[in-house]
Amino acid sequence: NAGVTQTPKFQVLKTGQSMTLQCAQDMNHNSMYWYRQDPGMGLRLIYYSASEGTTDKGEVPNGYNVSRLNKREFSLRLESAAPSQTSVYFCASSEALAGYYEQYFGPGTRLTVT
Amino acid sequence: DAKTTQPNSMESNEEEPVHLPCNHSTISGTDYIHWYRQLPSQGPEYVIHGLTSNVNNRMASLAIAEDRKSSTLILHRATLRDAAVYYCIPHTGGSEKLVFGKGMKLTVNP
Repeated sequence: NAGVTQTPKFQVLKTGQSMTLQCAQDMNHNSMYWYRQDPGMGLRLIYYSASEGTTDKGEVPNGYNVSRLNKREFSLRLESAAPSQTSVYFCASSEALAGYYEQYFGPGTRLTVT
Repeated sequence: DAKTTQPNSMESNEEEPVHLPCNHSTISGTDYIHWYRQLPSQGPEYVIHGLTSNVNNRMASLAIAEDRKSSTLILHRATLRDAAVYYCIPHTGGSEKLVFGKGMKLTVNP
């Protein structure tokens, strides 16, 4: 089991460029999430997907779009990158267990926008 | 979401027990208390969760106050690998979302 995988691990973009962060999980989980973590801060939820074909906004969705391609894959797109989007991005997946959700996280993508 | 208060940081010595406190005075009756930790340069990982009773697993123990307004994560024998940021997260059962605060940095001295 690879768990949750993310690509790329590192990326440098110039302001205005676009890119897609990829995430895949092999645990057959229904729910998937995208978070960002700024230096010295906790994680903030960008978008999540409770099941294939559905997506919902989290705390900080502006400037991002997501696609739940299938049950395994959930991608995050920056259409026009800004320096304020410099952050570490984490993808996670989870399954409901007796009313609560234990989330499994990927290793993160470190994005710098210059 | 219920608000939590954790110390910014704590230090412990290797092979000694560590008690990590968390106040969550606004927690509702149906909120689970989750603990996650984040090792350096890694994504967070689940540690333990509970509702009302104390809980044990292979990683840690969770002691929940009778009024549920606070909880304590107990690492019985700290190792260098336990050095991490620990997050205490009240979580409404059935909700998809976890709300991470800043957490508390644990330093383990050899």
